[in-house]
Amino acid sequence: GENVEQHPSTLSVQEGDSAVIKCTYSDSASNYFPWYKQELGKGPQLIIDIRSNVGEKKDQRIAVTLNKTAKHFSLHITETQPEDSAVYFCAERQGAQKLVFGQGTRLTINP
Amino acid sequence: DTAVSQTPKYLVTQMGNDKSIKCEQNLGHDTMYWYKQDSKKFLKIMFSYNNKELIINETVPNRFSPKSPDKAHLNLHINSLELGDSAVYFCASSRAGGINQPQHFGDGTRLSIL
Repeated sequence: GENVEQHPSTLSVQEGDSAVIKCTYSDSASNYFPWYKQELGKGPQLIIDIRSNVGEKKDQRIAVTLNKTAKHFSLHITETQPEDSAVYFCAERQGAQKLVFGQGTRLTINP
Repeated sequence: DTAVSQTPKYLVTQMGNDKSIKCEQNLGHDTMYWYKQDSKKFLKIMFSYNNKELIINETVPNRFSPKSPDKAHLNLHINSLELGDSAVYFCASSRAGGINQPQHFGDGTRLSIL
């Protein structure tokens, strides 16, 4: 299983509301799932990651949940701010060092 | 104090030419990567090197040849450029050895083929 399915492809929320992005993977052996944020003209930047031995991880307004049985994981951003506007990518590590990325979600925060 | 730096940032050239993109990391990492991001923003790994040794080669055409003179540098040379090579190319690096090491990306090189 090579693919990581990411939804939605675009997401628009009001400032202060929450945003949720979901990903589904197929390789049951995968055990590391990072999330990256890409701003215009920049490279992807790691914002949070989760390993398969935990179900949830939080870092201030950002949280990630993992359901290994269903093979999906989600990014939650609370109290969204204009600077959260960017393209977000989920990824799954397959094998030793290979990251397979989702298709990306363009998040727009409306003031 | 840039962690992963790529040059040039923009590269515009004609079909059939040969060009190189350079990447350097000052994080002390052992592993470096090249990714291609197409016009739809899809990111896909091309190569991975660990301590100058090729680890991953994702069915990339032979026209693409990575070169790692030392573990802090991974350059990408492309021969006989084609229109389909137009994309943003990202270099990344990570620690090796331990599992699940985060990858740190450069800001990309936008390659445009005329």
